[in-house]
Amino acid sequence: KNQVEQSPQSLIILEGKNCTLQCNYTVSPFSNLRWYKQDTGRGPVSLTIMTFSENTKSNGRYTATLDADTKQSSLHITASQLSDSASYICVVSAHQGDYKLSFGAGTTVTVRA
Amino acid sequence: DGGITQSPKYLFRKEGQNVTLSCEQNLNHDAMYWYRQDPGQGLRLIYYSQIVNDFQKGDIAEGYSVSREKKESFPLTVTSAQKNPTAFYLCASSSFSSPLHFGNGTRLTVT
Repeated sequence: KNQVEQSPQSLIILEGKNCTLQCNYTVSPFSNLRWYKQDTGRGPVSLTIMTFSENTKSNGRYTATLDADTKQSSLHITASQLSDSASYICVVSAHQGDYKLSFGAGTTVTVRA
Repeated sequence: DGGITQSPKYLFRKEGQNVTLSCEQNLNHDAMYWYRQDPGQGLRLIYYSQIVNDFQKGDIAEGYSVSREKKESFPLTVTSAQKNPTAFYLCASSSFSSPLHFGNGTRLTVT
C-alpha cells in the first residue's frame, strides 16, 4: 500500500526562527511530490510541486527538497511568521492524473510571538 | 476571481437524513474530486469525475453518491448508509495544466 509519513506530527517555534518538516513515502511509481499549506478550517493551498528530476524548489520563504532515491522530502520554513501557523501536508502522486494521490496526515506548525 | 465554492461552510443533520454538499468551480477544470478529512489522517478520496456525466468511486465511496451534470458542478450526497458521516469535506478540481485546487470545505456534523 502506498504510504506517506510525515514528521513531526506537530511543532511549536518562535517567530523569526526556521524549521524543517519531513516527509517519507513508499509510493511507486512516482510522478511528483507536492507540499500544501492548510489553514484551520480552510482548504489546502499548493506551495510547491516537484518531479523526479527536481531536488529543490522554493516559494518565498518555503523551500522544498526531494531525494527520489531515498524517497524523502523536506519543507524548510525560513524566518517564520505568525501567518505560517498551519498544517503542512505532503502529497505524492503515482500517476499523471490527480486521482492517484497519497496524502500524509500533515504536520501542524504553531508560530508563537 | 477563479476558484471553488463549497457551501454551506457548516452543516448539521440528524442521523438517518441524507444531506447534499454543494461544490461549484469557475476554473474551467475538467476533473473534480471529493475528499474526506478526519483528524490525524490524510485526505481520503470519495469520488472523482474526469468529464461531465461520468464519475468513478474513490477509496471510501460507500454511503456517498455524486452527480456531474455540468462541468462547473459536482455535488456530493451523504446518505444515511454512511456509518460515520461527521467530517470535514473538501472538494477539489484540476486540469492537465493545473494541479489540484481545493475549496474551503464543508464541516458536516451528524447527531
